[in-house]
Amino acid sequence: GQSLEQPSEVTAVEGAIVQINCTYQTSGFYGLSWYQQHDGGAPTFLSYNALDGLEETGRFSSFLSRSDSYGYLLLQELQMKDSASYFCAALTGFQKLVFGTGTRLLVSP
Amino acid sequence: DGGITQSPKYLFRKEGQNVTLSCEQNLNHDAMYWYRQDPGQGLRLIYYSQIVNDFQKGDIAEGYSVSREKKESFPLTVTSAQKNPTAFYLCASSGSGTLGPFSSGNTIYFGEGSWLTVV
Repeated sequence: GQSLEQPSEVTAVEGAIVQINCTYQTSGFYGLSWYQQHDGGAPTFLSYNALDGLEETGRFSSFLSRSDSYGYLLLQELQMKDSASYFCAALTGFQKLVFGTGTRLLVSP
Repeated sequence: DGGITQSPKYLFRKEGQNVTLSCEQNLNHDAMYWYRQDPGQGLRLIYYSQIVNDFQKGDIAEGYSVSREKKESFPLTVTSAQKNPTAFYLCASSGSGTLGPFSSGNTIYFGEGSWLTVV
């Protein structure tokens, strides 16, 4: 089977740093992506890790450890507009992406 | 502008009816996908197509059917065999060379989604 587990909800205040974890168990694995989805909208791409280590894109960073089947998304200098759901997604085969359960991030003033 | 267009945005289905959701892309992408999202939950893969005239079942294909007669179009039919079809349906596409195992530009692009409700 395929599963990607994330915490259901995370809360933080503006300006803070938050980490969203993702543990995966898949039959094939080539890399881990992260997507953001605001309520009622379509998911949008944030980052992708094919190799172990940290990838940084502005306020967002993503980390992957293949040996631990684990990754995380780090959001810095949180803003109210970052309130959304965040999904990790595993590339399990050529052009096949399987999504995690999703984490709802609530940012308060 | 290039993008993915899904229609209709909202659709109501009566018991026993088949309904078809449209998905059109003008990004010249080879691969297209259909995902289902239930409220407060993640996305589950229904079907995907890597190339015209070819498609594969995803994790929850039962009760759904697709066709890929043109590169730009990947319609999804929700059949009467799908007993719990009420959900948010998302179509997506990715370009040739992306979503390969070591592609640094790994991403897929989503349409705005279609809400299907059984009445």
